Amino acid sequence: EADIYQTPRYLVIGTGKKITLECSQTMGHDKMYWYQQDPGMELHLIHYSYGVNSTEKGDLSSESTVSRIRTEHFPLTLESARPSHTSQYLCASSERNRGAEAFFGQGTRLTVV
Amino acid sequence: AQSVTQLGSHVSVSEGALVLLRCNYSSSVPPYLFWYVQYPNQGLQLLLKYTSAATLVKGINGFEAEFKKSETSFHLTKPSAHMSDAAEYFCAFEIADTGRRALTFGSGTRLQVQP
Repeated sequence: EADIYQTPRYLVIGTGKKITLECSQTMGHDKMYWYQQDPGMELHLIHYSYGVNSTEKGDLSSESTVSRIRTEHFPLTLESARPSHTSQYLCASSERNRGAEAFFGQGTRLTVV
Repeated sequence: AQSVTQLGSHVSVSEGALVLLRCNYSSSVPPYLFWYVQYPNQGLQLLLKYTSAATLVKGINGFEAEFKKSETSFHLTKPSAHMSDAAEYFCAFEIADTGRRALTFGSGTRLQVQP
């Protein structure tokens, strides 16, 4: 059983609001990731981190930002939500070595109205 | 550019029939390859992975995949489909020798299992 948690599972919020999606893992993994997934579509990497104080942008340009102050915590923030941000956001973590399995949280489904 | 391609966005099989989900990769260096499954409203779960130890990889739930370098393929198979196998399946890769150390996913294949 993977120990990676995302909150909230579902969020409906108005345009212009600031939101933070939480992701925490208890496996001590150095690497963490955020993927964006539209319904029935592929996953796009938007942010990743190799460890504390390390963050990198992914393949898909995103207006969101991330931080990695603690190993176990990798929150994603949108300063001003827009309807175009409506999507599912998946957090994952893995060990540092190449080819390591990524463990995924259950996702946050965000709807901006 | 390195990528994985999943052929067929939807595959439908009868219960008990062979499952074959196709994945081809494009890379100058053999990558690490993975198959993940996603059930509705859930995150992704690893089915199996190839990391060069053996070309035939066995995974959970009776799935297996064979790495074929000559065909640049990593197709997922299961001899006999169960209703519970209905889900979205993603092929993913990580390039072995670059600084980029994150998984890149294919577009996914939705498997339907008919009774």
